[in-house]
Amino acid sequence: EAEVAQSPRYKITEKSQAVAFWCDPISGHATLYWYRQILGQGPELLVQFQDESVVDDSQLPKDRFSAERLKGVDSTLKIQPAELGDSAMYLCASSRRQDVQFFGPGTRLTVL
Amino acid sequence: GENVEQHPSTLSVQEGDSAVIKCTYSDSASNYFPWYKQELGKGPQLIIDIRSNVGEKKDQRIAVTLNKTAKHFSLHITETQPEDSAVYFCAARIAAGNKLTFGGGTRVLVKP
Repeated sequence: EAEVAQSPRYKITEKSQAVAFWCDPISGHATLYWYRQILGQGPELLVQFQDESVVDDSQLPKDRFSAERLKGVDSTLKIQPAELGDSAMYLCASSRRQDVQFFGPGTRLTVL
Repeated sequence: GENVEQHPSTLSVQEGDSAVIKCTYSDSASNYFPWYKQELGKGPQLIIDIRSNVGEKKDQRIAVTLNKTAKHFSLHITETQPEDSAVYFCAARIAAGNKLTFGGGTRVLVKP
Protein backbone atom coordinates (compact mmCIF):
# COMPACT_ATOMS: atom_id res chain seq x y z
CA GLU A 1 0.00 0.00 0.00
CA ALA A 2 1.14 3.59 -0.61
CA GLU A 3 3.10 5.25 2.17
CA VAL A 4 4.55 8.63 3.02
CA ALA A 5 8.32 8.57 2.57
CA GLN A 6 10.74 10.62 4.65
CA SER A 7 14.50 10.98 4.71
CA PRO A 8 16.80 10.87 6.47
CA ARG A 9 15.41 8.68 9.25
CA TYR A 10 18.00 9.97 11.72
CA LYS A 11 20.07 13.15 11.79
CA ILE A 12 22.66 14.29 14.30
CA THR A 13 23.97 17.82 14.00
CA GLU A 14 25.69 20.43 16.05
CA LYS A 15 23.94 23.60 17.11
CA SER A 16 24.18 26.49 14.65
CA GLN A 17 24.39 24.07 11.70
CA ALA A 18 21.75 23.83 8.98
CA VAL A 19 19.61 20.71 8.53
CA ALA A 20 17.03 19.70 5.95
CA PHE A 21 14.38 17.01 5.88
CA TRP A 22 12.57 15.62 2.85
CA CYS A 23 9.07 14.23 2.48
CA ASP A 24 7.33 12.49 -0.42
CA PRO A 25 3.56 12.22 0.19
CA ILE A 26 1.21 9.52 -1.00
CA SER A 27 0.52 9.98 -4.70
CA GLY A 28 -2.54 12.11 -5.32
CA HIS A 29 -2.59 13.70 -1.88
CA ALA A 30 -2.92 17.44 -2.33
CA THR A 31 -2.39 18.33 1.32
CA LEU A 32 0.94 17.92 3.09
CA TYR A 33 1.72 18.56 6.75
CA TRP A 34 4.90 18.89 8.80
CA TYR A 35 4.62 18.13 12.52
CA ARG A 36 7.14 18.29 15.33
CA GLN A 37 6.90 15.71 18.11
CA ILE A 38 8.91 16.31 21.26
CA LEU A 39 9.67 13.12 23.20
CA GLY A 40 6.71 12.14 25.37
CA GLN A 41 4.27 14.54 23.70
CA GLY A 42 1.78 14.53 20.87
CA PRO A 43 2.64 15.90 17.40
CA GLU A 44 2.22 19.64 16.87
CA LEU A 45 1.55 21.09 13.44
CA LEU A 46 4.32 23.29 12.07
CA VAL A 47 3.09 23.93 8.54
CA GLN A 48 0.33 22.78 6.18
CA PHE A 49 0.43 22.95 2.38
CA GLN A 50 -2.46 22.74 -0.04
CA ASP A 51 -0.75 21.86 -3.32
CA GLU A 52 2.20 24.29 -3.42
CA SER A 53 0.60 26.95 -1.20
CA VAL A 54 1.05 27.36 2.55
CA VAL A 55 -2.35 27.41 4.26
CA ASP A 56 -1.19 27.37 7.90
CA ASP A 57 2.27 28.19 9.24
CA SER A 58 1.15 29.90 12.41
CA GLN A 59 3.29 27.59 14.62
CA LEU A 60 6.40 27.63 12.42
CA PRO A 61 9.33 29.52 14.00
CA LYS A 62 9.97 31.55 10.90
CA ASP A 63 13.23 33.07 12.10
CA ARG A 64 14.94 29.69 11.70
CA PHE A 65 12.50 27.29 10.02
CA SER A 66 11.43 27.29 6.39
CA ALA A 67 9.35 24.89 4.32
CA GLU A 68 8.66 24.59 0.64
CA ARG A 69 6.68 22.43 -1.73
CA LEU A 70 7.65 23.94 -5.05
CA LYS A 71 5.80 21.65 -7.48
CA GLY A 72 3.03 20.62 -5.12
CA VAL A 73 4.42 17.12 -4.63
CA ASP A 74 7.42 16.52 -2.36
CA SER A 75 8.47 18.96 0.33
CA THR A 76 11.54 20.10 2.26
CA LEU A 77 11.69 21.43 5.81
CA LYS A 78 14.83 23.33 6.76
CA ILE A 79 16.23 24.57 10.06
CA GLN A 80 19.00 27.16 10.08
CA PRO A 81 20.60 27.52 12.53
CA ALA A 82 19.66 24.48 14.60
CA GLU A 83 19.32 24.94 18.35
CA LEU A 84 19.44 22.40 21.18
CA GLY A 85 15.67 22.75 21.69
CA ASP A 86 15.02 21.60 18.13
CA SER A 87 15.83 17.99 19.06
CA ALA A 88 12.62 16.11 18.26
CA MET A 89 10.92 13.81 15.77
CA TYR A 90 9.84 15.61 12.61
CA LEU A 91 6.83 13.93 11.03
CA CYS A 92 5.36 14.43 7.60
CA ALA A 93 1.76 13.53 6.81
CA SER A 94 -0.42 13.77 3.74
CA SER A 95 -4.11 13.62 2.90
CA ARG A 96 -6.63 14.22 0.23
CA ARG A 97 -8.43 17.50 0.84
CA GLN A 98 -10.14 17.55 4.28
CA ASP A 99 -9.56 13.84 4.71
CA VAL A 100 -7.70 11.28 6.79
CA GLN A 101 -4.03 12.09 7.45
CA PHE A 102 -1.40 9.40 6.90
CA PHE A 103 1.97 9.79 8.57
CA GLY A 104 5.45 8.90 7.44
CA PRO A 105 8.07 7.21 9.67
CA GLY A 106 9.58 10.53 10.76
CA THR A 107 13.08 11.98 11.04
CA ARG A 108 14.68 11.84 14.48
CA LEU A 109 16.81 14.99 14.93
CA THR A 110 19.42 15.27 17.66
CA VAL A 111 21.15 18.63 18.11
CA LEU A 112 24.40 18.52 20.09
CA GLY B 1 -7.60 27.34 19.52
CA GLU B 2 -8.52 23.72 20.15
CA ASN B 3 -7.17 21.98 23.26
CA VAL B 4 -7.22 18.19 23.71
CA GLU B 5 -6.63 16.52 27.06
CA GLN B 6 -5.90 12.77 27.22
CA HIS B 7 -5.99 10.41 30.22
CA PRO B 8 -4.38 8.35 31.57
CA SER B 9 -0.80 9.04 30.52
CA THR B 10 0.15 5.41 31.21
CA LEU B 11 -1.96 2.28 31.36
CA SER B 12 -0.88 -1.23 32.30
CA VAL B 13 -3.28 -4.11 31.68
CA GLN B 14 -3.13 -7.87 31.79
CA GLU B 15 -3.36 -9.68 28.48
CA GLY B 16 -7.01 -10.37 27.69
CA ASP B 17 -8.33 -7.46 29.75
CA SER B 18 -9.86 -4.28 28.31
CA ALA B 19 -8.17 -0.88 28.02
CA VAL B 20 -9.96 2.47 27.95
CA ILE B 21 -8.42 5.84 27.06
CA LYS B 22 -10.38 9.07 27.43
CA CYS B 23 -10.01 12.44 25.71
CA THR B 24 -11.76 15.77 26.09
CA TYR B 25 -11.74 18.64 23.62
CA SER B 26 -12.52 22.31 24.03
CA ASP B 27 -13.87 23.55 20.68
CA SER B 28 -17.46 22.58 19.90
CA ALA B 29 -16.69 23.19 16.21
CA SER B 30 -14.54 20.02 16.11
CA ASN B 31 -16.15 17.40 13.90
CA TYR B 32 -13.60 14.63 13.35
CA PHE B 33 -11.76 12.55 15.96
CA PRO B 34 -9.05 10.07 14.89
CA TRP B 35 -7.01 7.74 17.07
CA TYR B 36 -3.41 6.90 16.21
CA LYS B 37 -1.11 4.15 17.48
CA GLN B 38 2.61 4.88 17.56
CA GLU B 39 5.21 2.19 18.08
CA LEU B 40 8.75 2.98 19.14
CA GLY B 41 10.70 4.75 16.41
CA LYS B 42 7.76 4.85 13.99
CA GLY B 43 5.24 7.39 12.81
CA PRO B 44 1.64 7.38 14.09
CA GLN B 45 -0.68 4.88 12.41
CA LEU B 46 -4.42 5.54 12.16
CA ILE B 47 -6.37 2.79 13.92
CA ILE B 48 -9.91 4.18 14.01
CA ASP B 49 -11.73 7.48 13.59
CA ILE B 50 -15.19 8.88 14.25
CA ARG B 51 -17.09 11.83 12.83
CA SER B 52 -19.38 14.08 14.80
CA ASN B 53 -22.59 12.68 13.28
CA VAL B 54 -21.90 9.24 14.80
CA GLY B 55 -21.93 8.20 18.45
CA GLU B 56 -20.00 4.94 18.27
CA LYS B 57 -17.85 3.01 15.83
CA LYS B 58 -16.35 -0.47 16.07
CA ASP B 59 -13.61 -2.30 14.21
CA GLN B 60 -12.95 -5.80 15.53
CA ARG B 61 -11.39 -5.37 19.01
CA ILE B 62 -11.37 -1.58 19.03
CA ALA B 63 -14.22 0.87 19.41
CA VAL B 64 -14.57 4.60 19.81
CA THR B 65 -17.43 6.49 21.45
CA LEU B 66 -18.21 10.19 21.14
CA ASN B 67 -20.28 12.41 23.44
CA LYS B 68 -20.63 15.76 21.68
CA THR B 69 -22.59 17.35 24.51
CA ALA B 70 -19.86 16.60 27.04
CA LYS B 71 -17.09 17.10 24.45
CA HIS B 72 -15.36 13.86 25.17
CA PHE B 73 -14.50 10.69 23.28
CA SER B 74 -12.98 7.38 24.29
CA LEU B 75 -11.05 4.47 22.81
CA HIS B 76 -11.89 0.97 23.97
CA ILE B 77 -9.63 -2.01 23.26
CA THR B 78 -11.01 -5.43 24.22
CA GLU B 79 -9.15 -8.71 24.63
CA THR B 80 -5.81 -6.91 24.70
CA GLN B 81 -2.75 -8.64 23.26
CA PRO B 82 0.97 -7.93 23.75
CA GLU B 83 1.13 -6.37 20.27
CA ASP B 84 -1.32 -3.70 21.47
CA SER B 85 1.52 -2.28 23.58
CA ALA B 86 2.30 1.18 22.14
CA VAL B 87 1.57 4.87 22.63
CA TYR B 88 -1.94 5.91 21.60
CA PHE B 89 -2.89 9.47 20.61
CA CYS B 90 -6.32 10.99 20.24
CA ALA B 91 -6.84 14.06 18.09
CA ALA B 92 -9.58 16.51 17.19
CA ARG B 93 -10.14 18.48 13.99
CA ILE B 94 -12.08 21.67 13.55
CA ALA B 95 -14.20 21.63 10.40
CA ALA B 96 -12.25 24.32 8.56
CA GLY B 97 -8.67 23.54 7.48
CA ASN B 98 -8.18 19.86 8.45
CA LYS B 99 -5.76 20.81 11.25
CA LEU B 100 -5.41 18.08 13.89
CA THR B 101 -4.78 18.92 17.55
CA PHE B 102 -3.36 15.94 19.43
CA GLY B 103 -3.65 14.83 23.02
CA GLY B 104 -0.53 14.13 25.06
CA GLY B 105 -0.62 10.37 24.47
CA THR B 106 -1.20 7.23 26.55
CA ARG B 107 1.50 4.61 26.90
CA VAL B 108 -0.23 1.22 27.02
CA LEU B 109 1.60 -1.84 28.30
CA VAL B 110 -0.06 -5.24 27.93
CA LYS B 111 1.50 -7.78 30.27
CA PRO B 112 1.48 -11.42 29.14
